[in-house]
Amino acid sequence: GDSVTQMEGPVTLSEEAFLTINCTYTATGYPSLFWYVQYPGEGLQLLLKATKADDKGSNKGFEATYRKETTSFHLEKGSVQVSDSAVYFCALSAYGNNRLAFGKGNQVVVIP
Amino acid sequence: SQTIHQWPATLVQPVGSPLSLECTVEGTSNPNLYWYRQAAGRGLQLLFYSVGIGQISSEVPQNLSASRPQDRQFILSSKKLLLSDSGFYLCAWSVQMNTGELFFGEGSRLTVL
Repeated sequence: GDSVTQMEGPVTLSEEAFLTINCTYTATGYPSLFWYVQYPGEGLQLLLKATKADDKGSNKGFEATYRKETTSFHLEKGSVQVSDSAVYFCALSAYGNNRLAFGKGNQVVVIP
Repeated sequence: SQTIHQWPATLVQPVGSPLSLECTVEGTSNPNLYWYRQAAGRGLQLLFYSVGIGQISSEVPQNLSASRPQDRQFILSSKKLLLSDSGFYLCAWSVQMNTGELFFGEGSRLTVL
């Protein structure tokens, strides 16, 4: 079935460093792709999305490009802040009714 | 504005006991409703979703059930909990249109001993 794979393990980096979180997907059709973020003590919230190949989603300095040829949707930010510390989930929607398949999530810790 | 409430936030239950987790949404009508579970080391797994009162779809066979007695109320239940039911349960809602945007509650952490 359709699924999402995120890189293993937490990510720890210094403030103003460059962040990349890898996400690849498997889908039979042409899914929409999403990044959700969960800040400490809060529920998940949508960070950005892309609905077709070559689309770039962006929000709060984060970007991700829908790459059909590599089935990827990697999340990037050029200069992270301590406030970006959170868990980031990659997800796809292929079934309708807003049913999303999520990856395992990556804990990001930004050190001052 | 719309809000979503889940309770209880934390629950410790013995094996074989019943379970009831509740979720309510305010500020919107006829939402789609979802229950997800996050077990240790695993991603978010969709358990149930509902597009209307009394309409429940189950994504995976399991020891749990869901009900939607009112438009904005979604309940997750079990008659007898298993150790494997431990996890973090998240309720979410969305508009009917297929946008992919879900609005999540803060979750309920269940520990079965």
